[in-house]
Amino acid sequence: QLQLQESGPGLVRPSETLSLTCTVSGGSISTTNCYWGWIRQPPGKGLEWIGTVYYTGDTYYKPSLRSRVTISADTSTNQFSLFLTSVTAADTAVYYCARRAPNYAIDVWGRGTTVTVSS
Amino acid sequence: DIQMTQSPSSLSASVGDTVTITCRAGQSISTYLNWYQHKPGQAPKVLIYSASRLQGGVPSRFSGSGSGTIFTLTISPLQHEDIATYYCQQAYSSSSSTFGQGTRLEIK
Repeated sequence: QLQLQESGPGLVRPSETLSLTCTVSGGSISTTNCYWGWIRQPPGKGLEWIGTVYYTGDTYYKPSLRSRVTISADTSTNQFSLFLTSVTAADTAVYYCARRAPNYAIDVWGRGTTVTVSS
Repeated sequence: DIQMTQSPSSLSASVGDTVTITCRAGQSISTYLNWYQHKPGQAPKVLIYSASRLQGGVPSRFSGSGSGTIFTLTISPLQHEDIATYYCQQAYSSSSSTFGQGTRLEIK
């Protein structure tokens, strides 16, 4: 059974870089037509799609975050990562890693990890 | 970004009722529309993909319809465990996906 698990610091200082890793188990991130991505939910708000990566390294990002976000995949460790630079309090959220299936649905999610941006 | 607008933002209904949530896209997205259920403290769960296809394991009281710019999620009959926030998501633009703002469903 495919499982995803987020890991990384729960507290990030303003202006620094948020770094999260998603470890995939029970399946390979090299699976054809599966994309791997990040979604977040700020407190009291809805879901926000951040971006996705294909195992080949192709990436797609939310336009308003494109200047600050990088998502990368490591097939040797079966992990993918999120890097968000110059964070502010507005980046405080629960961050989910997830899989986009070949049918375009986000069908497998991690449990989510809370990241707080604060000094 | 393709804007996705859900209505209503919240609703209250009784067990056994039929509930309908609407999602409107800012441009035609064919049937590249998914619906999710999100309960507090849990990861979201896909209910419907491609506008009308039921995800495996999802109860048949959930159904979806629509194409182009207008889509609906129907729950019938409503059960107590359906208390959650529901989101639509467009998957038409492979380079940038977007969610609706969510519809919070409460039981009377």
